[in-house]
Order: sequence, then C-alpha cells, then structure tokens
Amino acid sequence: AQSVTQPDIHITVSEGASLELRCNYSYGATPYLFWYVQSPGQGLQLLLKYFSGDTLVQGIKGFEAEFKRSQSSFNLRKPSVHWSDAAEYFCAVARDDKIIFGKGTRLHILP
Amino acid sequence: SAVISQKPSRDICQRGTSLTIQCQVDSQVTMMFWYRQQPGQSLTLIATANQGSEATYESGFVIDKFPISRPNLTFSTLTVSNMSPEDSSIYLCSVEGFTGGLTYEQYFGPGTRLTVT
Repeated sequence: AQSVTQPDIHITVSEGASLELRCNYSYGATPYLFWYVQSPGQGLQLLLKYFSGDTLVQGIKGFEAEFKRSQSSFNLRKPSVHWSDAAEYFCAVARDDKIIFGKGTRLHILP
Repeated sequence: SAVISQKPSRDICQRGTSLTIQCQVDSQVTMMFWYRQQPGQSLTLIATANQGSEATYESGFVIDKFPISRPNLTFSTLTVSNMSPEDSSIYLCSVEGFTGGLTYEQYFGPGTRLTVT
C-alpha cells in the first residue's frame, strides 16, 4: 500500500537557522508528493508539490523540497526559518484520486 | 486556488445529537472531500463527494454516521450523527479540480472544531 512516513514528531530550531523536515514514501511508480502546512487554528495550505521533472521543487514562503527516488524521500528545506514558520507540517502522497497524509511534524522555533 | 469557507467554525454539542457542517467554495469544483483530524493526529479521509453522485466513503466510515450532500458544484454538507465524545475532532473540507480535471491539488477550508460532551 502507498504510504508516507514522517519520522520526526517534533523539531525545534532557532530562528534564522536552517531547517530540514524528513519524509519517506512507499510507492512502486513515480509518486505525486506534497507538503502542506497547518498553522495554529487554521486549515491546511499547500506549500509545494512534485509530479515529475526537476527533482528540486520550489514552493511558497521560501520552502523547497527535493525528490530522491533512490532514497524514497521528499524532504522539505528552508535556509533560514522565521518565527512565523512555527506550525505543523504534513507530507502527503497521492493515491488514485485521494491524498494520503503523513502523521505530521510539529516545528517549534526558538527566539 | 479559491476561497473556501466552513460553518460553523466550532461547536460544542451534547452526545446523541447531530451537527451539520457546511462547506462553500467561491468557484465551481469537480471534487470535494471531507476529512477528520482528531486531536494531535493527522488527517483521515472520510469520504469523497462528487456532484450528482453518491459520496464514496473510506473504510471505517459509513453513510448512516456521516451523511453527505453535494447539491451543486460549490457546496457540500457533512452531518455527524448521533455524536459521542469520540467524534470530537476538527472536520475539514477540501476541494480539487477547478479546471474539471484531476490535478491532485487540494485546497482546504479552515475547519470546524467539534467538541462533544
């Protein structure tokens, strides 16, 4: 079955530091992959998506993600985090006409 | 993208009662989805609602408990019936398919926070 794993439940970084959130997927073919962010008390916002082509994908809010087939990974990165980036981040994969979400990684920002 | 609204934004209900959640989109969309997000958990798909057809429910969810309507291309409702405290969750609607095709790009409403006492 197609699934996505986010191994880190919580991540804490200092403001201005770089960030990498891990995501691994299991799927036989080329997957459709997504990263969503959920800020406190808000719905989900699509940060970026990978369907095909360039394996380095640029998203909104300065985020990027790199698809690595050999590692079955789609890690999310940001070179310098801001306090407003504190939120829950969900990696997701498309299966048929549905989206399957990982369990999420909660990002904490230290001042 | 589109503006997606949900009503109510939150509610506190007594067990045994029912609550209907509305989802309104400002554009016509092909597919609408209903998710449940239990406290501290990820999103779980309840059902897919396409206009003009019966909703398709995921394993573990049944129509008697979560009846869904999709009367047109901009609106859907989810009812949580005969509620128990285990139904306390955030319920989110999402939409896809502004161009009529399958894009996998889903956009989410702000959610309805339901507490059952």
